[in-house]
Amino acid sequence: DSGVTQTPKHLITATGQRVTLRCSPRSGDLSVYWYQQSLDQGLQFLIHYYNGEERAKGNILERFSAQQFPDLHSELNLSSLELGDSALYFCASSVSGTNTGELFFGEGSRLTVL
Amino acid sequence: QQQVKQSPQSLIVQKGGISIINCAYENTAFDYFPWYQQFPGKGPALLIAIRPDVSEKKEGRFTISFNKSAKQFSLHIMDSQPGDSATYFCAASRNNQGGKLIFGQGTELSVKP
Repeated sequence: DSGVTQTPKHLITATGQRVTLRCSPRSGDLSVYWYQQSLDQGLQFLIHYYNGEERAKGNILERFSAQQFPDLHSELNLSSLELGDSALYFCASSVSGTNTGELFFGEGSRLTVL
Repeated sequence: QQQVKQSPQSLIVQKGGISIINCAYENTAFDYFPWYQQFPGKGPALLIAIRPDVSEKKEGRFTISFNKSAKQFSLHIMDSQPGDSATYFCAASRNNQGGKLIFGQGTELSVKP
């Protein structure tokens, strides 16, 4: 158990809809990262928050947004969903905001868009 | 372009054998190279990591070999066990972008008893 909690574990929705994925980092970790895992793209970095502030953006679509709340949990919002958004979405956390080190991944939220 | 290329895509090894997975990177600014292990239904978990100031790092049965001039690094799993069957990802990042990992495509390892 990594200590990172993600909900929901599975989500099935229709095209055009909006969903919210939630992540609670390990106790004491200030950084939250979101990654997308798909068969064709592999594991792709989406966005990084540190102590409530956005620190880095990766290949995140404009239809996607995220935020980190004062209690350090994070939410990833996916809107105007398309079939191609079907993927596993992982949240990871770490203590540091900049230095390299271990990321602790949750078990992911599997999104299926029909 | 920041890319990490990993091979092979899949690997079948007999129990007790050596598993070798290779990765190559392009960006010379990368200075942290971790390997993550992922079991079905789970998130990736850090296995071992190396920085470019050393050419090899060993932790138990797992060894990373690093060739800075060739921009390549590899994972060796000695005495492979069925419990090692998982997907392995190499990754790279820059020091000031610690959690922004660029992952390889993954290698699905199957260790046969």
